[in-house]
Amino acid sequence: AQSVTQLDSHVSVSEGTPVLLRCNYSSSYSPSLFWYVQHPNKGLQLLLKYTSAATLVKGINGFEAEFKKSETSFHLTKPSAHMSDAAEYFCVVSVSGNTPLVFGKGTRLSVIA
Amino acid sequence: GAGVSQSPSNKVTEKGKDVELRCDPISGHTALYWYRQSLGQGLEFLIYFQGNSAPDKSGLPSDRFSAERTGGSVSTLTIQRTQQEDSAVYLCASSQTGGFEKTQYFGPGTRLLVL
Repeated sequence: AQSVTQLDSHVSVSEGTPVLLRCNYSSSYSPSLFWYVQHPNKGLQLLLKYTSAATLVKGINGFEAEFKKSETSFHLTKPSAHMSDAAEYFCVVSVSGNTPLVFGKGTRLSVIA
Repeated sequence: GAGVSQSPSNKVTEKGKDVELRCDPISGHTALYWYRQSLGQGLEFLIYFQGNSAPDKSGLPSDRFSAERTGGSVSTLTIQRTQQEDSAVYLCASSQTGGFEKTQYFGPGTRLLVL
């Protein structure tokens, strides 16, 4: 069975400093991995997606994530946080086309001016 | 272009009443998904449609929950005899073709409160 663990429920950074949101997954197969962002009272928006091509995936708004099979990790990073990045971030795994997505519990990112 | 839309955006109902939640997917998307987002439970998969058929209903929590999709487009999620534990945000998503590895586009959700 697959699972996703987001290691921090809440991360707080100062504006202009780097962001690191950690995600570890468990899967018996080669997974597809996603990061979604959810702003208050809004739906989820796809930030980026890994599907066994390049291990470093670039997404929207300056975010990127690196797939590390040896560490079963897919951490999300951004070099410089912006106030508008404050939101809830979800790491998601898909084992196959026939298996429902599994969502992490989410990490709430706060950005301090 | 238009994204996934859901209605109503908010719904307050009394325990024991039935509710219907509607989802309009992105035009041309053949796959549609329902999820429930609640405090303490995170995001849970409910049901998946490919066209009008539902190959995966594994996430429906009880027989009070049902969903249908007509014309390969609009979907309705119905909760009968609502309970307080049904209070949550119900999210709908669609993808261009079927398969959970495909990118899903989410609607804003329906916030359901059962009193």
